[in-house]
Amino acid sequence: DGGITQSPKYLFRKEGQNVTLSCEQNLNHDAMYWYRQDPGQGLRLIYYSQIVNDFQKGDIAEGYSVSREKKESFPLTVTSAQKNPTAFYLCASSISGGGGQPQHFGDGTRLSIL
Amino acid sequence: AQSVSQHNHHVILSEAASLELGCNYSYGGTVNLFWYVQYPGQHLQLLLKYFSGDPLVKGIKGFEAEFIKSKFSFNLRKPSVQWSDTAEYFCAVNNPLSGGYNKLIFGAGTRLAVHP
Repeated sequence: DGGITQSPKYLFRKEGQNVTLSCEQNLNHDAMYWYRQDPGQGLRLIYYSQIVNDFQKGDIAEGYSVSREKKESFPLTVTSAQKNPTAFYLCASSISGGGGQPQHFGDGTRLSIL
Repeated sequence: AQSVSQHNHHVILSEAASLELGCNYSYGGTVNLFWYVQYPGQHLQLLLKYFSGDPLVKGIKGFEAEFIKSKFSFNLRKPSVQWSDTAEYFCAVNNPLSGGYNKLIFGAGTRLAVHP
């Protein structure tokens, strides 16, 4: 079955550590996205990538970094500069980056600070 | 800046009751509109979408939504809810002309609990 795989499902981070969240898709989609979901705030866009080797900051990119070396992979690194990293992180993809394409979501990774 | 408002954060209904969840957006130009649903323990999935044409859109599982341009609204409805509709519902808006990329603006979500 085609879909988006996020791993791990749960992740714990110590203060000052960087952690990387994995996102893989086998839908052959060009565009991929990272969102952060906090209670009562909906989803907020962290980074997006319309095509391999290209990515752009979203609304809340500070303290995060991404790479897009392969079409199917879009890992997100939560750096120590992110002061409030505890959240639910969702990865999504769409056929293209053009407006209007529905986005398909992974199951998410819940990050907590020890 | 674009924004999306969902008026009800929590809704509690009994089975067979009718449902209407409100969604208003701020952008005045051409928009694409979406409702996504997140069932407990599952990933976010598309419920229905509006791009153009008939403003009354039918989605999966008996849901429908009506686009009222003059009110900047895209309310979600279901005539008779079931316990299995318990989930969190998100309204999202996209401006198809927004710099050429697929930026979705999400509302804060509405948690629906349906009691048997």
